[in-house]
Amino acid sequence: RKEVEQDPGPFNVPEGATVAFNCTYSNSASQSFFWYRQDCRKEPKLLMSVYSSGNEDGRFTAQLNRASQYISLLIRDSKLSDSATYLCVVPPGPHKLIFGTGTRLQVFP
Amino acid sequence: SAVISQKPSRDICQRGTSLTIQCQVDSQVTMMFWYRQQPGQSLTLIATANQGSEATYESGFVIDKFPISRPNLTFSTLTVSNMSPEDSSIYLCSGAGQVNTEAFFGQGTRLTVV
Repeated sequence: RKEVEQDPGPFNVPEGATVAFNCTYSNSASQSFFWYRQDCRKEPKLLMSVYSSGNEDGRFTAQLNRASQYISLLIRDSKLSDSATYLCVVPPGPHKLIFGTGTRLQVFP
Repeated sequence: SAVISQKPSRDICQRGTSLTIQCQVDSQVTMMFWYRQQPGQSLTLIATANQGSEATYESGFVIDKFPISRPNLTFSTLTVSNMSPEDSSIYLCSGAGQVNTEAFFGQGTRLTVV
């Protein structure tokens, strides 16, 4: 099993739609979780951290399910500008970051 | 979050030569990492750059091919040695202030080996 696995993409959704991505991880000892966004030909940028109690930031909601070892990202009211690749990051230990393969989202008018 | 300046932003190199990529952080960071991103794929961790000591390499990456330096808490270099076309990729450095915290990235170096 890979350390971090994500939903395969691409996800093609219309503007205004709600879309959700999942990411599973193998190391039950992982303590921190993050979602990054990467635009084409750009570096990844932190979208949000994922807390045990869940985390909401505007249209974005991140959830953690430790029992099933996955994190999720929900995007409501999708905008054209949300089109990007979304990467989940699960540090298997305190000293390195492992990225998922990424889920590509394309929002169309 | 800190800002990382990475250079060069891109380069086209002849096979058999070496390229050194530099990353400068505007504040001290505990950890620095080097990643490779092949076209259309996610980031693969090459190594963790350790200040004042040898880097910690991931499986499949060796010091002779990717020597890394980190003389202080704000600067690191990655050298891609004896390049071949298979080394064509984007190389990214990142830093993190504390363990288990988010990382931030340099702008990346787009390397093409011909």
